[in-house]
Amino acid sequence: AQSVTQLGSHVSVSEGALVLLRCNYSSSVPPYLFWYVQYPNQGLQLLLKYTSAATLVKGINGFEAEFKKSETSFHLTKPSAHMSDAAEYFCAVTRGSGGSNYKLTFGKGTLLTVNP
Amino acid sequence: NAGVMQNPRHLVRRRGQEARLRCSPMKGHSHVYWYRQLPEEGLKFMVYLQKENIIDESGMPKERFSAEFPKEGPSILRIQQVVRGDSAAYFCASSPVGAQRPHNEQFFGPGTRLTVL
Repeated sequence: AQSVTQLGSHVSVSEGALVLLRCNYSSSVPPYLFWYVQYPNQGLQLLLKYTSAATLVKGINGFEAEFKKSETSFHLTKPSAHMSDAAEYFCAVTRGSGGSNYKLTFGKGTLLTVNP
Repeated sequence: NAGVMQNPRHLVRRRGQEARLRCSPMKGHSHVYWYRQLPEEGLKFMVYLQKENIIDESGMPKERFSAEFPKEGPSILRIQQVVRGDSAAYFCASSPVGAQRPHNEQFFGPGTRLTVL
């Protein structure tokens, strides 16, 4: 079974500051990991994904995440926050192989606020 | 290309009534997934359907919940005799091919917020 813990239900940063959203996972098999973003009144949009290739993954809108197996972490970062980054962010995990790898398991989400 | 559509966006039902949630996948997508987000929880997988087939319903409550994806028309998530504990956001996702393939992506709709009074 897989699980995801997102530390901090609400993160607030100033425009231009570093964004760091934390995600730790638990998985009994090698995982695939994802970050999704949800803007108000919209569906979840895939930001980036780790699928056992490079451990540093680059996504859309300047975001990136690093898979650290020893720390069971997949933290999301962006060097400089923009007002348009304000949204809710979800980390998700699924098994990397075998059956049922369509079953995404999500964290509770982190609401990012960007202050001018 | 329109994204995944869900309606209604907000649904209010009294205890004991039925709730029907609709999901129209992206054009060309024949695989649909339903997830539920209870208050203060992450999204949880409920069911995976292809056209006219339920592939995996292991996340569905055993009673009162059912899902279908007919040959024509949207996928429907049906909740009979709703209770207050059914209040949640229900998200639908779709993919163009079987999601068991590696690297496949699920495209999500905006969700339906169900409130049971």
